[in-house]
Amino acid sequence: LAKTTQPISMDSYEGQEVNITCSHNNIATNDYITWYQQFPSQGPRFIIQGYKTKVTNEVASLFIPADRKSSTLSLPRVSLSDTAVYYCLVGYNTDKLIFGTGTRLQVFP
Amino acid sequence: DSGVTQTPKHLITATGQRVTLRCSPRSGDLSVYWYQQSLDQGLQFLIQYYNGEERAKGNILERFSAQQFPDLHSELNLSSLELGDSALYFCASSVEGEGGQNEQFFGPGTRLTVL
Repeated sequence: LAKTTQPISMDSYEGQEVNITCSHNNIATNDYITWYQQFPSQGPRFIIQGYKTKVTNEVASLFIPADRKSSTLSLPRVSLSDTAVYYCLVGYNTDKLIFGTGTRLQVFP
Repeated sequence: DSGVTQTPKHLITATGQRVTLRCSPRSGDLSVYWYQQSLDQGLQFLIQYYNGEERAKGNILERFSAQQFPDLHSELNLSSLELGDSALYFCASSVEGEGGQNEQFFGPGTRLTVL
C-alpha cells in the first residue's frame, strides 16, 4: 500500500497561492497520484491527477519530482470557497487506495 | 452535480434492522464504488463493482453486501445494524475499472443514523 502523509491543516488568505505537499515514499511504478476536494457533507470531487512531472488544469497544478516520492498540489489565488479538505491518493488498483485524513484548508478573508 | 444519484438522502433506523442504499452511476460509467465516512474513521473504501462483477473489496463487514444490476445501478445492503454503522455512505462511479487511474465521480451521499 502506498502510504501517504500530508499536513493535517493549513491556513491561507484570499488571493494567495496555496501549496499542499503529500509524501508517498513507497509509490509503485504503476501508481497514479490523484487529488480530491471535499466540502462538509458532500462527496469528494476530483481536482487533478498526474503520473510524473507537472500537470495543470483550470483549477490547479500538480508538481511531481522525478523520484515521485512526493507531490505538491498548487491552488493559485485561493478564495473563501476553496475552504475544504484535500485528499492525496496514490495507487492504481482500487483496493490499494487510501483516502487518509486529508488536509483541512481554511481560507480567511 | 456529478451525475451520480443516491437514495435515500437520509435514513434513520434502529439497531438490528436492515437497510438498502441505492446508487445510480453516471451514464456510461461501468464502475461503482461504495465508501463509508464516519467522523472517527475518515473515508473508507468498502467495495467496487465493474460491469456487474465484484472488482475490489476493502474494509467491508460481513454484515454488509452489495450488488450491481444489469442496468448498472448498485445497491448496498446493511444488516444487523449497530450504532457504529451510523455514517455517511457515498457511492462513486468511473468509466473504467481501476480506481487509482480513473476519475471517480461521487454522489451526494446517504446519511444513515442508527438509534
